[in-house]
Amino acid sequence: AQTVTQSQPEMSVQEAETVTLSCTYDTSESDYYLFWYKQPPSRQMILVIRQEAYKQQNATENRFSVNFQKAAKSFSLKISDSQLGDAAMYFCAFTNAGNNRKLIWGLGTSLAVNP
Amino acid sequence: SAVISQKPSRDICQRGTSLTIQCQVDSQVTMMFWYRQQPGQSLTLIATANQGSEATYESGFVIDKFPISRPNLTFSTLTVSNMSPEDSSIYLCSARTGSVSNYGYTFGSGTRLTVV
Repeated sequence: AQTVTQSQPEMSVQEAETVTLSCTYDTSESDYYLFWYKQPPSRQMILVIRQEAYKQQNATENRFSVNFQKAAKSFSLKISDSQLGDAAMYFCAFTNAGNNRKLIWGLGTSLAVNP
Repeated sequence: SAVISQKPSRDICQRGTSLTIQCQVDSQVTMMFWYRQQPGQSLTLIATANQGSEATYESGFVIDKFPISRPNLTFSTLTVSNMSPEDSSIYLCSARTGSVSNYGYTFGSGTRLTVV
């Protein structure tokens, strides 16, 4: 079965510091996609970053970057220069590239940003 | 990127009644998804809704309780039928958006349902 594991239920970081959220996954597929989503208290799910499994280069989006280790099935999210607005639940998610493209979700990490 | 309008944003309903949640996408999408989420927890997929075919339900969810319509490529509804307090939750719709080689998943803003 395909699973996504986020081992850190809660994390905190000081404003302007860097934090890394961990995510591991399990799949027998070779072609798939990985996502990090942010959900602030407003409930809106916001795509943070996306990684295609066939790409060796780690995805980056401004202050957000990933460390994608395909062999280790690891997909961690690094947030640099943390801002108060980064406080939210962060979900790691996986989908295969086949016809059944539903997302498999981790349990989430609640990130607090301390001023 | 696509935008999904979901309504209502919240509702308080009497047990035994039904509520229909609507999602409108501003572009045509093939796949739409309906989720349930307890506050502070992860998302649980209820069903996948493709236009022109019956929705595919996940284990633990049945069509009689959560009927879904998908009349066209931009719209879907989820009905929560014969509600009980256990149905109190946040319901989210989502759509796979973007091109075949560069896609993502866009979400509605959620419906907070309270059953009393």
